[in-house]
Amino acid sequence: DSGVTQTPKHLITATGQRVTLRCSPRSGDLSVYWYQQSLDQGLQFLIQYYNGEERAKGNILERFSAQQFPDLHSELNLSSLELGDSALYFCASSVSLKWGYTFGSGTRLTVV
Amino acid sequence: AQKITQTQPGMFVQEKEAVTLDCTYDTSDQSYGLFWYKQPSSGEMIFLIYQGSYDEQNATEGRYSLNFQKARKSANLVISASQLGDSAMYFCAMREGSGRSGYSTLTFGKGTMLLVSP
Repeated sequence: DSGVTQTPKHLITATGQRVTLRCSPRSGDLSVYWYQQSLDQGLQFLIQYYNGEERAKGNILERFSAQQFPDLHSELNLSSLELGDSALYFCASSVSLKWGYTFGSGTRLTVV
Repeated sequence: AQKITQTQPGMFVQEKEAVTLDCTYDTSDQSYGLFWYKQPSSGEMIFLIYQGSYDEQNATEGRYSLNFQKARKSANLVISASQLGDSAMYFCAMREGSGRSGYSTLTFGKGTMLLVSP
């Protein structure tokens, strides 16, 4: 157990639908990062939150949004889902940039 | 230009032998960090080793060492005495950004699949 909790582990949904992925960072970690891993694009950085505020944005689609709540958990909202959104979505947290980013076990999203 | 380049899509090694996984990076930042992660078939991302751009000595963590050549912008991972359980995908990643502002990004390479045979 890495200490970063992601729910759900698996999600199957239909095109056009909206889903919410949840992440609880390790205790004490202020930063949360979201990544998308697909076969063709590899690991893509989506967005970073630090203590409730958005700090960095990567290749995140406009159909996707995220937020970090006062208790530091984060949610990634994916809407108007397309088949190409099927991927493994990781959340990571960090307390110190030196010691790496701790990843959760991921949410595998399948859009049918 | 890609920020992280891993030129070996796959590598084969026999058990107990050493193996080097290549990684080159591109950045204009003076302060950055380099990471290696392991992703077994189960999917989780496991942090292996870290090297800071100002660290003068190569990082080591057990059987893992990072061969850091700053002038060449390379950060190769060396696994000594390979084990069957080392079979996995290995990703090199670079952190840019300032920790003081809370801003940072971690960019990954495309990975190298390592297969360890008995």
